[in-house]
This record gives sequence, structure tokens and C-alpha cells, in this order.
Amino acid sequence: EAGVAQSPRYKIIEKRQSVAFWCNPISGHATLYWYQQILGQGPKLLIQFQNNGVVDDSQLPKDRFSAERLKGVDSTLKIQPAKLEDSAVYLCASSSHRGGANEKLFFGSGTQLSVL
Amino acid sequence: AQRVTQPEKLLSVFKGAPVELKCNYSYSGSPELFWYVQYSRQRLQLLLRHISRESIKGFTADLNKGETSFHLKKPFAQEEDSAMYYCALNRAGGTSYGKLTFGQGTILTVHP
Repeated sequence: EAGVAQSPRYKIIEKRQSVAFWCNPISGHATLYWYQQILGQGPKLLIQFQNNGVVDDSQLPKDRFSAERLKGVDSTLKIQPAKLEDSAVYLCASSSHRGGANEKLFFGSGTQLSVL
Repeated sequence: AQRVTQPEKLLSVFKGAPVELKCNYSYSGSPELFWYVQYSRQRLQLLLRHISRESIKGFTADLNKGETSFHLKKPFAQEEDSAMYYCALNRAGGTSYGKLTFGQGTILTVHP
């Protein structure tokens, strides 16, 4: 099966600029997650979508971060304006949300953001 | 609040030696624990899940609720095991399967 697709692979911007990341989950996966991974740390969940609705965005810095999944398939994550501390790898992941022992979370390759 | 601690950032062993990657967690409810692995230039992927009680690539992990630990073990390490390993926790029985709390990761290097 095709994996979770993310673009761009790398992005370099200056602080106070805006940036957007795109994710296309595995076909049929209802649940989509965005994680932020700062260098030297484990991934940290930013937001979870179930189809086109937000399930949990409690850890999303809403003053500058926004995300949408309008048609319940692909998703975009935006940062406006970016800060130096936003430099990280942004990972998208999806799962079928059918539950059970065979439930798996599939990750994309990530977008590496550098804010200068 | 949930927390996952991996005390070792780096772990080096020789091929054929036993390896143990430590993971401790804090969580007031009933947890579900995972090990994820990221090989060089590859995506983060699930290695094993405690509820499945399976052995993947020779690795096993036992959930010890008394010690709040979920250490990953392999009796004979191979060079291809060199990777970054993350321990992760989720609320058992929850509907949000992917709402994981990750540890900081351990880089395992297996020398020939």
C-alpha cells in the first residue's frame, strides 16, 4: 500500500514568515495526526483529526499554528508567523481507527523546517 | 499527566551481545505501551506493542506495572538493529490510538 505522503521534504524560512505543510494519509484512513519533533526529543502530538473534524488540538499553539482537513482526506498545517523555536521535523501519521490488536500508526517521512 | 522516560540517549554494543533499551513511564490509568523504531533514512515505524505479546526481529518487551517499565530486549544484537528507538505510551482502551506520548529516544549502535 502507498504510504503517508508529505511535502515539502525540507523548508527554510526566516522568522516571522509563514509556512505550510501538506499531508496525504493512507487511503481509507479516517484518523490523521500531526506531530512535532524537535531535535533530540521524541515526537510531540500537535493535533488529531477524525475524518474532517478536530478531535484534539490541546497541544497546538493556536496563536500561530493552524491545521485543517476540509474534505477528510489530506491535511495542511500552517505556521504564521514562524519563530526560531518552531524549527523541527513535522510528522504526519494516519491510522484506520478500526481498533484491535492489528491497529497501526503509519508515519510519513516528515517535513524538516529550519527557521533562521 | 503521562510521561515516558528513556534514560539512555546512546547505547553501544557489539554484534552478538545482549541488548536492553530501558523505558519507564508514569501514568495514573491503565497504559498501552509501544516501541517504535527509525532506521537510517527510513520512516518511524512500529516495532512492537505490549498488548500483542509478540517478538519482532528477535526483540521482546514485557510490561512491568509494578516497576512502571517496558524495557526492550534482544539476546543477540545484529548490526542491522542499529537505529533510533522510541518508547511510547497511550491510554489503554482509548479511542485515540495514535495519541502517543513518546520518550526522547535511544540511539542503538551495534558494532561488528
